[in-house]
Amino acid sequence: QSVLTQPRSASGTPGQRVTISCSGSTSDIGSNSVHWYQQLPGTAPKLLIYSNSQRPSGVPDRFSGSKSGTSASLAISGLQSEDEADYYCAAWDDSLNVHWVFGGGTKLTVL
Amino acid sequence: QVQLQQSGPGLVKASQTLSLTCAISGDSVSSNSAAWNWIRQSPSRGLQWLGRTYYKSNWYNDYAVSVKSRISINPDTSKNQVSLQLNSVTPQDTAVYYCARVSDTKPDAFDVWGQGTMVIVSS
Repeated sequence: QSVLTQPRSASGTPGQRVTISCSGSTSDIGSNSVHWYQQLPGTAPKLLIYSNSQRPSGVPDRFSGSKSGTSASLAISGLQSEDEADYYCAAWDDSLNVHWVFGGGTKLTVL
Repeated sequence: QVQLQQSGPGLVKASQTLSLTCAISGDSVSSNSAAWNWIRQSPSRGLQWLGRTYYKSNWYNDYAVSVKSRISINPDTSKNQVSLQLNSVTPQDTAVYYCARVSDTKPDAFDVWGQGTMVIVSS
């Protein structure tokens, strides 16, 4: 069972805006930055958003992130078919057991 | 452009040692501004951080408590690579294993990933 909680699935039609939530606790999201990864089938995860809302070079501005308290959200506007993928949130965890924790992933389907 | 190229066997027998290597290009394993991590992914456990090695005037390692008694992550400066060894494996260690970089330019984020290695532990 993953430490961060995400919905198992999300969907939208081309052009729509969808959001994916990520819920944690005071020791992870509440105290540290949230990062988002996109994983296309059969490939490694790719950094999509870092430090809550920053986009790496090359990531379209259709992708945006936000954080409030112990929760975070990823928003995708102008949904495209190539956005169909699994999305994961992650954060540093202040506990001594593990340094990074991940969400269970959200499967995004473009209808 | 930083790239990570993984290598190692895809099949390991239970009770034996899983060994993988991550060759680094475009960066240095001895960089003072990077950490080199191993992460695994399985349907049952999702993404799981295993550990890291990094250099800050000295070499340091951190490991997840769940695997701390069985894991070793080591840099090889002569080959610019980092290795993962996981001892006494069981079928529960079956997963896709990734190496990934954390850089000071994007703190705490895994900004470069290896291609992944599917490792099956046979009983």
